[in-house]
Amino acid sequence: DSGVTQTPKHLITATGQRVTLRCSPRSGDLSVYWYQQSLDQGLQFLIQYYNGEERAKGNILERFSAQQFPDLHSELNLSSLELGDSALYFCASSEEGVRQETQYFGPGTRLLVL
Amino acid sequence: DAKTTQPNSMESNEEEPVHLPCNHSTISGTDYIHWYRQLPSQGPEYVIHGLTSNVNNRMASLAIAEDRKSSTLILHRATLRDAAVYYCILCGYNKLIFGAGTRLAVHP
Repeated sequence: DSGVTQTPKHLITATGQRVTLRCSPRSGDLSVYWYQQSLDQGLQFLIQYYNGEERAKGNILERFSAQQFPDLHSELNLSSLELGDSALYFCASSEEGVRQETQYFGPGTRLLVL
Repeated sequence: DAKTTQPNSMESNEEEPVHLPCNHSTISGTDYIHWYRQLPSQGPEYVIHGLTSNVNNRMASLAIAEDRKSSTLILHRATLRDAAVYYCILCGYNKLIFGAGTRLAVHP
């Protein structure tokens, strides 16, 4: 158990809809990261937050947005969903969000868009 | 843009050493090299990281080329539990560059 929690575990929705994925980092970690893993694909980095502020951006679509709240939990919002958005979404956390730190990954949220 | 290149798959026999290569020829001087692995149906987990010098921990060793344009993750004695996808990642200032990963199969 990494200490990172993600909810929900599974999500089934329809094209055009909007969903919110939630992540609670490990106790004491200030930085959260979001990743997308499509079927049989590698990990794609989406975005990183540190203490409520966006720190780094990867291949995140304009239809996707994220935020980190004062209690340090984070949410990833996916809107106007398409079939291709079906994937595993992972959240990870680290203490300070700096480049030499270990990231601790949650178990993921599996999203299926029908 | 920096990127990492890894072989799609590798195979090993149990109890034998495994050398997983990664090319990162466009690495910046301040980028750290991290390795993570993803076991089936799990989130990725940290294996090892380094900047310039070779590194050892209880899980593996990391050999970094002198010019830092490549690195090799070394599993000294592969076990069946080491079967996973191994990712080589560059961690720099406000950037994370992932490779596509190497799927390691370990045969009894």
